[in-house]
Formats: sequence, C-alpha cells, structure tokens
Amino acid sequence: GENVEQHPSTLSVQEGDSAVIKCTYSDSASNYFPWYKQELGKGPQLIIDIRSNVGEKKDQRIAVTLNKTAKHFSLHITETQPEDSAVYFCAASKYSGNQFYFGTGTSLTVIP
Amino acid sequence: ETGVTQTPRHLVMGMTNKKSLKCEQHLGHNAMYWYKQSAKKPLELMFVYSLEERVENNSVPSRFSPECPNSSHLFLHLHTLQPEDSALYLCASSLLNAGEQYFGPGTRLTVT
Repeated sequence: GENVEQHPSTLSVQEGDSAVIKCTYSDSASNYFPWYKQELGKGPQLIIDIRSNVGEKKDQRIAVTLNKTAKHFSLHITETQPEDSAVYFCAASKYSGNQFYFGTGTSLTVIP
Repeated sequence: ETGVTQTPRHLVMGMTNKKSLKCEQHLGHNAMYWYKQSAKKPLELMFVYSLEERVENNSVPSRFSPECPNSSHLFLHLHTLQPEDSALYLCASSLLNAGEQYFGPGTRLTVT
C-alpha cells in the first residue's frame, strides 16, 4: 500500500516569510495529491491539489510542486499571515480511487 | 462551511453506552467516508460508502457499525467502546472516483 511521510511536524515562521512543507509517497501509481488545512475545532479543508500530469500549481499565495520521479511534493505558502496558522496535511491517492493516504500533519505557527 | 455537517460536535460516553454519530452532506455527492483522527497519527480511513453500499472496511472493530440509508446521510453506531477509541471522528464526501473529498467539522468523542 501507499506510505506518505510529511516533514516537518512543526514549523514556526515570522509573518511575511515563506513556509514550505514537504511530503514523500511510495506508490508510483498515485496520481492525485491534495493538501488540507485544519484549524482548531474544524475539519480539514481542501486548499489546493495537484494531479500527476502537471508539475506545479499556484493559487494566490499558495503553490504546490510535484516531482514524480523523486515521488515528493511540497506546499509553499508565501507572505504568511497569522491566519495561516493551522495544521496542514498532505495526502496521496489515485484520482479514480476512494482511498486517501494522509501524512501525519505539520503544525504551522505564523508569528506576528 | 464545506457543505458537510456532523452531529453531535462533542460526545462523552461510558464503555457500556450505545450512541450514534450523524453526518449529512448537501453537495450532491455519492460517496461518503468515516475517518478517525488521533493525535500524532495520520487520518485513518474507517469506512467508505459508494452509492449507499459499503465498499471498504479497513479492519475496523465490530463495535463500530456504519449505516448509509441514502446518499446524503451517514451514521456511525457505537457500542461497548474502549478508552482508546477516544478521538475526533470525521465524515467526508465526494463524487465517486472523482478526487476531492470534503470534510465535516468532526465529532470529538471521549470514552470514559
């Protein structure tokens, strides 16, 4: 089965700086990689996703990159703001499948 | 809001109690999921329902019993739970074989 590893487990950045979270996966058949943000007391919220037919996707201050050869993908948040503080989860899946494999999460703190 | 609601939001129950968690989605999806979220661990998929039929049961103990009466509603019936079952239980929904899953806010369960 798939194994997803996520690093770091905790990350603190100054407001305005960039934050990068990295994930690796093991199953070369995985082709869909979503990122979720979970705030305290809430469920995970999809913030961006990427499919294996592209190497990068950007949505305002958030971007995701994918390296299929190395089997790793990363979340990049630029110009961080205090409201970006949350736990972020990566996941890997087959787009046509229902089984998502999640990383263990990264707790991001943006210091004002 | 993601269009997926869960009730109750918090539940405390003794090991001999019977209770049920409820999930409802308003997104027109046809697949629903139960996940267990424990501290420091990846989200664990418990059950998948596709077109109201259970398609996956990831070796979940029989003290957890799911029910999906229609494509909009999902229940998780609980009986004779153990303290280690204390966790956040998340419901999600998606279009079958179409990627994105949307999560509810979760039910924080404490077993005493």
